[in-house]
Amino acid sequence: DVKVTQSSRYLVKRTGEKVFLECVQDMDHENMFWYRQDPGLGLRLIYFSYDVKMKEKGDIPEGYSVSREKKERFSLILESASTNQTSMYLCASSADRGGQPQHFGDGTRLSIL
Amino acid sequence: GENVEQHPSTLSVQEGDSAVIKCTYSDSASNYFPWYKQELGKGPQLIIDIRSNVGEKKDQRIAVTLNKTAKHFSLHITETQPEDSAVYFCAARTGANSKLTFGKGITLSVRP
Repeated sequence: DVKVTQSSRYLVKRTGEKVFLECVQDMDHENMFWYRQDPGLGLRLIYFSYDVKMKEKGDIPEGYSVSREKKERFSLILESASTNQTSMYLCASSADRGGQPQHFGDGTRLSIL
Repeated sequence: GENVEQHPSTLSVQEGDSAVIKCTYSDSASNYFPWYKQELGKGPQLIIDIRSNVGEKKDQRIAVTLNKTAKHFSLHITETQPEDSAVYFCAARTGANSKLTFGKGITLSVRP
């Protein structure tokens, strides 16, 4: 089975802090994704990566950056955390072949105080 | 870009009844449509998917139908059970890189 592991289930940080969310997948997938999930808004794509050191902006990239130095690991970075970034963050991965499903981690619930 | 809409936002059914969840999409070039189930405290899990060259797909109690002309696809759950209670997301794939556009989700409640 595909396993996508997010390093923290819950995280509490303060405004202005630099925050790192880590995601690791064990299936040698080329594609990795970061979403945020908010009530009534569904899943919104922040950034995705289709190869090591490659990244593309999703629908809501403002205030975020990402890093993909190794194929299995994809990091989401909040450069200067703000209260409106309090949310559930979900990481996903998929194989590069067309029409392959995304596999999700269990999420990190991030609170910015 | 692609727009995926999912209605209604909540659905309540009696145990044993069928549930149907419908999604519409806007981009006629979309060619892959997965459905995800999210239980409390967990990430979304793929339950079934369909490609644009197929009209229907079934897996035990769940099925998905696709109408490309009308640009909508539906999830059908028969003989619902309390453990089917969850949030269900539909999605559509546009372009390369397996990028998906998700609907806002529907909360299904199955009353025992």
